[in-house]
Amino acid sequence: SQQGEEDPQALSIQEGENATMNCSYKTSINNLQWYRQNSGRGLVHLILIRSNEREKHSGRLRVTLDTSKKSSSLLITASRAADTASYFCATDRAYKLIFGTGTLLAVQP
Amino acid sequence: DTEVTQTPKHLVMGMTNKKSLKCEQHMGHRAMYWYKQKAKKPPELMFVYSYEKLSINESVPSRFSPECPNSSLLNLHLHALQPEDSALYLCASSPPGRRNTGELFFGEGSRLTVL
Repeated sequence: SQQGEEDPQALSIQEGENATMNCSYKTSINNLQWYRQNSGRGLVHLILIRSNEREKHSGRLRVTLDTSKKSSSLLITASRAADTASYFCATDRAYKLIFGTGTLLAVQP
Repeated sequence: DTEVTQTPKHLVMGMTNKKSLKCEQHMGHRAMYWYKQKAKKPPELMFVYSYEKLSINESVPSRFSPECPNSSLLNLHLHALQPEDSALYLCASSPPGRRNTGELFFGEGSRLTVL
């Protein structure tokens, strides 16, 4: 069963624009992670934010976490065609990492 | 070496066949995972091994049989599968001490087609 739901399900933007995707989850967490998956490939870890953190940056990525609303957002700034992929949030539940429904991002050159 | 290697990349099998998926990592990770992913869906956890012992089985049918021969290897034995078992099977590992909820390192997956 999924712990998180993401929106939008799909997002299409132009190169250079910013992309924002959101994740909502149901139960309390220790941390929340974001992963990227290129079509039919393995997942790549992007960033982890702990429950006592509100914001975290890594390169062009900015993640926020609002535990009161049980939600997180991933912002990709100055997007590139190579950012085209599916993005999943993942939360821990009973010592398992459970993935959200994912956002399919298409960056048009 | 920061890779998780999965073989084969593609596998086609009949419903009466017996086959195995293999996963290998040499990062010293002591937790290893099998996930199943259907098209346009998120990965779903199947099994977790911690220190070579099966710690989580997500009520997976017995036609899937995991095995962890040592800390670097993880196998998934397949027998009498159904067409609906066709999916991308992902192996992952994580460093010790993270209680299964830290960063996971994924392989590229084995795409399984059951005829």
